Amino acid sequence: NAGVTQTPKFQVLKTGQSMTLQCAQDMNHEYMSWYRQDPGMGLRLIHYSVGAGITDQGEVPNGYNVSRSTTEDFPLRLLSAAPSQTSVYFCASSLGRGGDSGNTIYFGEGSWLTVV
Amino acid sequence: EDQVTQSPEALRLQEGESSSLNCSYTVSGLRGLFWYRQDPGKGPEFLFTLYSAGEEKEKERLKATLTKKESFLHITAPKPEDSATYLCAVQVYGTSYGKLTFGQGTILTVHP
Repeated sequence: NAGVTQTPKFQVLKTGQSMTLQCAQDMNHEYMSWYRQDPGMGLRLIHYSVGAGITDQGEVPNGYNVSRSTTEDFPLRLLSAAPSQTSVYFCASSLGRGGDSGNTIYFGEGSWLTVV
Repeated sequence: EDQVTQSPEALRLQEGESSSLNCSYTVSGLRGLFWYRQDPGKGPEFLFTLYSAGEEKEKERLKATLTKKESFLHITAPKPEDSATYLCAVQVYGTSYGKLTFGQGTILTVHP
């Protein structure tokens, strides 16, 4: 069971370039989210999805775009990269139901992005 | 606005020296409080979810407790392999199950 898989692990971009961070889960989870982690800021929610075809903004959505065409995949797109988007990005997923078995949120291993 | 504050920011312990990490929260309605462990260069690893005041959960040397305003992560007789950053997060009623608000974490170092 692979869990939550993120690619690439590391990426360097030039200002203004675009790219997509990939996230896939094999647990048939309805809920998927993207967070960024910056020193001293903790993890902050960028975008989330409650199912295929349904997405919504989190706390820091500007400069990012998402779509959810399948249950398994939730890619995060940077449309025009800026140095302020240098961060570590984590994808997460859960069943989205009550109780321990339904509400555990699993995280991927992270994608380290540097924008120069 | 939902807020989560963790203290201390960093904690250094000797092996076997028990201690506690604190997570204070201010939310409109708590659905669940989550504890995660994060090793350098890795993603957060789920430890516990607590749902109501008075609840306790244990895993090996870790025990998490919850009151109406805060949660504690007690570490009993820690070992060097317990060194990590411990993250606390809240999930609030009326929001998506996928939404967590995190504290800034406590960096725990256990010296042999």
